[in-house]
Order: sequence, then structure tokens, then C-alpha cells
Amino acid sequence: RKEVEQDPGPFNVPEGATVAFNCTYSNSASQSFFWYRQDCRKEPKLLMSVYSSGNEDGRFTAQLNRASQYISLLIRDSKLSDSATYLCVVNILNYQLIWGAGTKLIIKP
Amino acid sequence: EPEVTQTPSHQVTQMGQEVILRCVPISNHLYFYWYRQILGQKVEFLVSFYNNEISEKSEIFDDQFSVERPDGSNFTLKIRSTKLEDSAMYFCASSEAGERGEQFFGPGTRLTVL
Repeated sequence: RKEVEQDPGPFNVPEGATVAFNCTYSNSASQSFFWYRQDCRKEPKLLMSVYSSGNEDGRFTAQLNRASQYISLLIRDSKLSDSATYLCVVNILNYQLIWGAGTKLIIKP
Repeated sequence: EPEVTQTPSHQVTQMGQEVILRCVPISNHLYFYWYRQILGQKVEFLVSFYNNEISEKSEIFDDQFSVERPDGSNFTLKIRSTKLEDSAMYFCASSEAGERGEQFFGPGTRLTVL
């Protein structure tokens, strides 16, 4: 079983729609959780950390379900600039981040 | 806004040669990392570095690889005797805190081994 699993997509979504991604992780001892976005051939950029209580940053909402070992990201009122690959990242060992393969999002005008 | 910088942006080398990839982490960060991403594949952890020593390393980070912080600002990744399969993007990252710290990435060095 993969340590961090994501639907690779692509998700083709019209501008203004709401889109949700899920990610599952296999190690119940995982400590920290993050969503990064990566544009084509660019570096990953931190989008948001994911806290147990859930957190929101503008149009983005992240949720963590430890019992089911999944993390979600919700994007409301999607913009063309949201087109990217969204990476689910989990900290399992002390410093090492384990990365999902990413979900590709394409926002269409 | 402070950022991680990396040089060169693109390195082309012949198989068997040694390369050194350079990174300048964010100045007040204490934890440094190298990752690689083969084209079309996921990001893979290589090594983390704290207090002038390796904290963790992955199975990928074998004797072919080494890291160093030669001065107060640079953090380098050396790859000896490069192989074709070493061709990838190499990202440096830094964080202020350790295991729960948010990591910030440099723009990457694209290594092409011919």
C-alpha cells in the first residue's frame, strides 16, 4: 500500500465551481500534514498546513480525519490560476516528508 | 519576502562526472533538506540536515551523495560519479522548526546526465 495516496486526476472543473480533493495515508503515527501546489516544472509551494480542527484560508479549506486517515482540500469559487497539481504531504518520521503523487487540477474558463 | 535560492538552474554533465548543487536557505532557518523529482514522478526525500549533521536520509541517499554546509549561508549537495538515472529536478528546502515545521522550497536545479 502506498504511504500517501491521491487520485491523479486530472480534474477538469469550470471556473467558479467548487472542487474537493482527498488524500489517504497509511501510517497512523503520522504527525503533520500539508497541502502543497506545484505548477508545471516549478518547485512545490506550501498552500496550507492541515490541523486536526480543520482550517480555512480564504477560498481554501483543509480537513483532517485521523480515524479514517484521510486529508481533504476544498477549493471554492475556483479561479483559472488555481490550475496546478496539488500535493498531499505527510510527516511520518522526524523530518522526512512523504509526498503523494499529486492531483492535477485544470480550471476551464 | 525571504526565499530559498538555488544555483545553477540547469546543470548538464557527462555520466561519471561529479556535480555540486548549491542552495542558500532562508537566513533564520535551521533545518535544511534536499529532495529530487524525476520528470513526471513524485517528489522524493533525500536528506535532512540540522546542526551541521545529517538528521535523516532516505534509501536513495547512498554513498554517491553527500551534503555540506561549507559556510554560514550555503548548503550543498554533491553527487559523485553521476548516472543517467540521476537526471531529475533537485529541490532544496529549509524550515525554521523541525518535524512540524513548514518547509519552503527553492526553484530547483534541473540536472541532466548525458
